[in-house]
Amino acid sequence: AQKITQTQPGMFVQEKEAVTLDCTYDTSDPSYGLFWYKQPSSGEMIFLIYQGSYDQQNATEGRYSLNFQKARKSANLVISASQLGDSAMYFCAMYGTSYGKLTFGQGTILTVHP
Amino acid sequence: DTGVSQNPRHKITKRGQNVTFRCDPISEHNRLYWYRQTLGQGPEFLTYFQNEAQLEKSRLLSDRFSAERPKGSFSTLEIQRTEQGDSAMYLCASSLLGEAVETQYFGPGTRLLVL
Repeated sequence: AQKITQTQPGMFVQEKEAVTLDCTYDTSDPSYGLFWYKQPSSGEMIFLIYQGSYDQQNATEGRYSLNFQKARKSANLVISASQLGDSAMYFCAMYGTSYGKLTFGQGTILTVHP
Repeated sequence: DTGVSQNPRHKITKRGQNVTFRCDPISEHNRLYWYRQTLGQGPEFLTYFQNEAQLEKSRLLSDRFSAERPKGSFSTLEIQRTEQGDSAMYLCASSLLGEAVETQYFGPGTRLLVL
């Protein structure tokens, strides 16, 4: 079984500052993938970034980076230079090679203040 | 390249009625997924197809729920005899099996309210 835990129900950040959203996971799969999605109030899930369990480097995608610590089973999302449009719900998710489906955490609501 | 589309975007129905939702995946994607999301929670997996074959169903998918993907393109999700507990956002996603990173791309969802 797979489990994703996001312990921060809500986070606040000042515009132009960086913010870290926490994600820890548990799986018995030797190979797995970790994803972050953004869900604005409109409801659509927007793919942000991916990290494979065997990737040596932390993933980066523009202002998004993933702080992957395999031994600690954590995959935190770092958003640099926050913008007002970053205000949304953020979900961490994973799949293992045994599964096609994604397992999601409960999400973190990020609010960016001007 | 158009994204995943879902119809309708909103549906209000009375308890006991049947509803059907449609999902059109990204055209070359061979995998299609259905998820359900209740307020304040992350999406939960319901079922998925590889081409036209339904490969896995969650135990969340009671016998009132049925999903099809008859020609391996669009998919429908039907809920029979709706209950108030079925009120949720129903999300569809698609992916391409065989890509180096099999990323699921989501549609805008269908919000269902059962009165």
